[in-house]
Amino acid sequence: DAGVTQSPTHLIKTRGQHVTLRCSPISGHKSVSWYQQVLGQGPQFIFQYYEKEERGRGNFPDRFSARQFPNYSSELNVNALLLGDSALYLCASSLAWEGETQYFGPGTRLLVL
Amino acid sequence: AQSVSQHNHHVILSEAASLELGCNYSYGGTVNLFWYVQYPGQHLQLLLKYFSGDPLVKGIKGFEAEFIKSKFSFNLRKPSVQWSDTAEYFCAVMRVNYGQNFVFGPGTRLSVLP
Repeated sequence: DAGVTQSPTHLIKTRGQHVTLRCSPISGHKSVSWYQQVLGQGPQFIFQYYEKEERGRGNFPDRFSARQFPNYSSELNVNALLLGDSALYLCASSLAWEGETQYFGPGTRLLVL
Repeated sequence: AQSVSQHNHHVILSEAASLELGCNYSYGGTVNLFWYVQYPGQHLQLLLKYFSGDPLVKGIKGFEAEFIKSKFSFNLRKPSVQWSDTAEYFCAVMRVNYGQNFVFGPGTRLSVLP
């Protein structure tokens, strides 16, 4: 079975631009969570979506938004990019809303210049 | 706010040495606990997890961890490390009934010298 996939793998943007990152969960998984991993730190929770509804939000500004589609894939959108948004963005999927192991994708590395 | 701390930022060991990486969390409720590993250039992979039951859990590649509830700790151990264990190790805590919001520690970089 394919694992969690993410696209693109790398992205370079300039300050003020907008970016969309995509994630396809493991087949059968209905929950997708997004994390930001800044170099040298552990991943930080951004959002969780389950059955197309937002079920959790971390301490990130409103410039960050996400959605989940009927096929359970998900997009993370970031508006008005700042230099500090440069990071590895990870997507994780799990079977249920909670109480499950999360499986992580390879991430999208975003560089904001 | 809930936090997860990992005792060591960088650990350097020789092959065959024993390993123990510390992890402590601050949340007082029921938690599920995880250790993930990130090999160079690869994505996060699950090493082991604790949900309930026997507080000593065994994972892949000879790793084990012990949950000590009274100490809010979940330390990772391996009796004999190999060069291939060189990686970044992350402890993660999930609060029960709070969704899949994992709180990760800052990570411990393990370097194993051949």
